[in-house]
Amino acid sequence: NAGVTQTPKFQVLKTGQSMTLQCAQDMNHNSMYWYRQDPGMGLRLIYYSASEGTTDKGEVPNGYNVSRLNKREFSLRLESAAPSQTSVYFCASSELMMTATYEQYFGPGTRLTVT
Amino acid sequence: KQEVTQIPAALSVPEGENLVLNCSFTDSAIYNLQWFRQDPGKGLTSLLLIQSSQREQTSGRLNASLDKSSGRSTLYIAASQPGDSATYLCAVYNQGGKLIFGQGTELSVKP
Repeated sequence: NAGVTQTPKFQVLKTGQSMTLQCAQDMNHNSMYWYRQDPGMGLRLIYYSASEGTTDKGEVPNGYNVSRLNKREFSLRLESAAPSQTSVYFCASSELMMTATYEQYFGPGTRLTVT
Repeated sequence: KQEVTQIPAALSVPEGENLVLNCSFTDSAIYNLQWFRQDPGKGLTSLLLIQSSQREQTSGRLNASLDKSSGRSTLYIAASQPGDSATYLCAVYNQGGKLIFGQGTELSVKP
């Protein structure tokens, strides 16, 4: 099993350009998440999808859109990139376990620079 | 609103020393608490997951404790090694499985 995969690994954009970050998981998890990590900070939730067909805003959703394409895939789109969106983006997935507990599994991250 | 704080922000110790990293959270109504390790420029590696009904978890030289009533968790690293140098992140699971992260503690273990 590959777990959670993300593409691309690195990306440089000019201000105003658009792009989509891709995430896929092969663990049959219902829930998927997008986070961003800025220097010296922990991860902050951008958007999440509790199940296929649903998406909700997290702590820092402005400037982003998401699509839960199917159970496996959850994409993050920047419509008009800004320098403030320079960050490392992590995707994660999780499932509510029989013990009524959660554990999230993370992808390797996408390092995005907006100039 | 749940807030997670990690103290200290950075720590430098000589090799072989035992050390404790601290994590505090403001809302005790958590499901799980998880400790991660992050090497520079890399992703997150899960170290220990403590369920809300548990008091501690151990893996090798690592021991994590959880005190929900006081809103605190500690990560104890025994006999530290230079290979332990990394940033350690604490995160709590709220209702619905959403994770709230602390800012991390950057650990440097000197040979």
